[in-house]
Amino acid sequence: DTEVTQTPKHLVMGMTNKKSLKCEQHMGHRAMYWYKQKAKKPPELMFVYSYEKLSINESVPSRFSPECPNSSLLNLHLHALQPEDSALYLCASSQDFSGSRELFFGEGSRLTVL
Amino acid sequence: KNEVEQSPQNLTAQEGEFITINCSYSVGISALHWLQQHPGGGIVSLFMLSSGKKKHGRLIATINIQEKHSSLHITASHPRDSAVYICAVNRAGNQFYFGTGTSLTVIP
Repeated sequence: DTEVTQTPKHLVMGMTNKKSLKCEQHMGHRAMYWYKQKAKKPPELMFVYSYEKLSINESVPSRFSPECPNSSLLNLHLHALQPEDSALYLCASSQDFSGSRELFFGEGSRLTVL
Repeated sequence: KNEVEQSPQNLTAQEGEFITINCSYSVGISALHWLQQHPGGGIVSLFMLSSGKKKHGRLIATINIQEKHSSLHITASHPRDSAVYICAVNRAGNQFYFGTGTSLTVIP
């Protein structure tokens, strides 16, 4: 199983809603990532979890709250988002967070904030 | 300045043509990656390189560590190859740096 599964694939939410994006992998990877991608731009790193601990937070606004309940799951909790937060949110995983490592991406969750 | 530069930004080719996408980087790396992203979709890893050359089907990736340059070649291109191709590098114990991507359209 070399899949990273993201749900939902599409999400529309209002600025006052609370929602969550979910990501799951069963490859035994110990590093998991959230990226944000705007149209025609490369992915921008948001968070990295290494061995279920938050290793990197790229100065992401607190309206985005990551959570890693266990080594297979990664959530991104969303609250009071702005229309400019509309983007494709990509989850990725790798064996660990050191040296040369291949990134496995999910299909992404396309978020629209109204 | 971007750590990873790709060229061209956009590329249109006729079916069957040989295609080359270039990537230059300015930092020391432990590996270079070529990724493929279809419209609206997720990203698939095509190659991870630290030296030399790799081939998978009609795709060939090369890297010259001394010149800090990599190329992705597609032989006998096909409309299903139409996608955005992204070059990314990672440094030991650090995050990835992504290029801005090359948008490829192959016309039947």
